[in-house]
Amino acid sequence: DAKTTQPNSMESNEEEPVHLPCNHSTISGTDYIHWYRQLPSQGPEYVIHGLTSNVNNRMASLAIAEDRKSSTLILHRATLRDAAVYYCILRDSNSGYALNFGKGTSLLVTP
Amino acid sequence: GAGVSQSPRYKVAKRGQDVALRCDPISGHVSLFWYQQALGQGPEFLTYFQNEAQLDKSGLPSDRFFAERPEGSVSTLKIQRTQQEDSAVYLCASSSQGGNSYNEQFFGPGTRLTVL
Repeated sequence: DAKTTQPNSMESNEEEPVHLPCNHSTISGTDYIHWYRQLPSQGPEYVIHGLTSNVNNRMASLAIAEDRKSSTLILHRATLRDAAVYYCILRDSNSGYALNFGKGTSLLVTP
Repeated sequence: GAGVSQSPRYKVAKRGQDVALRCDPISGHVSLFWYQQALGQGPEFLTYFQNEAQLDKSGLPSDRFFAERPEGSVSTLKIQRTQQEDSAVYLCASSSQGGNSYNEQFFGPGTRLTVL
């Protein structure tokens, strides 16, 4: 699987937007970009995924660079409940059933 | 609706004991996954079932680890002769369809295993 690189930690103020970056310079044409997050003492939960185009859902937006070598997860208004570890994961469309989590970005949200 | 459940939530074992961890996936979900999460690390893949068939067990760290899903629903992860390095959170996830690159995986809360 192609690897991803994320900052270890980020901090945001409550009710402000948060942009979580992910680099994946070795991404292949068949890799989907997935984001999961893990709140303290819970299992991971799905956030969003995309292939080439930007994506929006009720939780977040995913902005994908034109060359697909990087992406950004956008939380439009951070809340205290958004404090979690965010994982950027590549999944190959041919065989990517397992999630390769890496270490993720620990997001701290302050009031 | 009911999500993925795991039991027990916490397990303390003495080194050398056998343990069994249970996962109840979302009803009707075809795929089931086990992951191991060490303290401060991201989850790591252990094994994958599609219905009752174990299609991938490449992540199991040793032959002391064994997983089964005999009727294609509930799954059990068994660890024999536990060692201190087995201490971790064991996460179960299920997915509605066969494993592929875009199906969402739904995770349980995990079982925290501590081996003394």
